[in-house]
Amino acid sequence: AQSVTQLDSQVPVFEEAPVELRCNYSSSVSVYLFWYVQYPNQGLQLLLKYLSGSTLVESINGFEAEFNKSQTSFHLRKPSVHISDTAEYFCAVSGSSGSARQLTFGSGTQLTVLP
Amino acid sequence: DTGVSQDPRHKITKRGQNVTFRCDPISEHNRLYWYRQTLGQGPEFLTYFQNEAQLEKSRLLSDRFSAERPKGSFSTLEIQRTEQGDSAMYLCASTNPNEKLFFGSGTQLSVL
Repeated sequence: AQSVTQLDSQVPVFEEAPVELRCNYSSSVSVYLFWYVQYPNQGLQLLLKYLSGSTLVESINGFEAEFNKSQTSFHLRKPSVHISDTAEYFCAVSGSSGSARQLTFGSGTQLTVLP
Repeated sequence: DTGVSQDPRHKITKRGQNVTFRCDPISEHNRLYWYRQTLGQGPEFLTYFQNEAQLEKSRLLSDRFSAERPKGSFSTLEIQRTEQGDSAMYLCASTNPNEKLFFGSGTQLSVL
């Protein structure tokens, strides 16, 4: 069995400030980890993923996440946020097969960037 | 076709009525998934098709729910005798061969 806990349901932050969205997971097997983003009135989009290799993964829009096996965490960070980053962010874990049908999502964190 | 499309975007129905949602995946994707998302929660897996074959169903999918993908292209999700607890966002997604999920915008169901 696997589960995901997103510790903050809402994170307000001012524009150009840094942000960290926290995610902890539990699983009895090796996992793949994902962050998805959902902008208002749009479908979920893959932001970044950890499958293997380097524990630090980056997205094209400045977000990064670090896989920490000892702390079972996969926190998402950005050093300077923009208004356009306002969205709901979901952390997800998949079993060792990496199959989409084994994805378990967290409950989401609403990031609101304030001017 | 630039993405996964779902129809309708919103559906309001009375308790006890039947509803049907449609999903059109990205044309070259042979795997299609249905998820349900309730307020304050992440998406939960309902069922999965590879081409026209329904390969897996979650225990969340009660007997009142049925999904089809008759020609391996679009899919429908029907809920019979709707209950207030069925109110949720129903999401469809399809995957490319690398298992990257592409989600539609969802159908928001409200059962009164």
